[in-house]
Amino acid sequence: QSALTQPASVSGSPGQSITISCTGTSSDVGGYNYVSWYQQHPGKAPKLMIYDVNKWPSGVSNRFSGSKSGNTASLTISGLQAEDEGDYYCSSYTTSSTYVFGTGTKVTVL
Amino acid sequence: QVQLVESGGGVVQPGRSLRLSCAAAGFTFRSSGMHWVRQAPGKGLEWVAVISFDGGDRYYADSLKGRFTISRDNSKNTLYLQMSSLKAEDTAVYYCARGGSFDNWGQGTLVTVSS
Repeated sequence: QSALTQPASVSGSPGQSITISCTGTSSDVGGYNYVSWYQQHPGKAPKLMIYDVNKWPSGVSNRFSGSKSGNTASLTISGLQAEDEGDYYCSSYTTSSTYVFGTGTKVTVL
Repeated sequence: QVQLVESGGGVVQPGRSLRLSCAAAGFTFRSSGMHWVRQAPGKGLEWVAVISFDGGDRYYADSLKGRFTISRDNSKNTLYLQMSSLKAEDTAVYYCARGGSFDNWGQGTLVTVSS
């Protein structure tokens, strides 16, 4: 159950697009379309942003989009806004019927 | 709306036990799988355990090595996490979360393991 690998930080200017990667193995990310993404602001609980690789929960902006290729999933934030600053985590279901989170990515809006 | 409220955290000595609770409201608890997730201070999220809607299936993170037990009482709309043989590295905010995609989260309860 090794954590999924994410870049430690990603930054962009307002209005730009950024992409966060989430790399696992064929036993988790590559094996299932059960990848989700979460946004967490300091001192707050995580919030679901994308589920099942590319689906939006109710109320989440379509500026957030997800995709997957092989063992790597990606979250793209388009039209970057100041409120998008925070930490982002991916998660995946695994072959052991367990779950694993990514290492987390700090997003900075310049 | 969905509400998840954790309780039971606090300061506990190494080697002791603690039970966390998560009171659920605003959805059909008895139909939902539930998780515990923890976050050590300044660190990332770590999945702890999941329990199926009826409690029949339970899975745990390998790192816990049998020290934690997840359970639920559907008559009380409450999820539990029994933690034993606590170690300093178990110090974290513990969150409960609903559903296979961690659709909703509670505000968390802080557990500090210290002598």
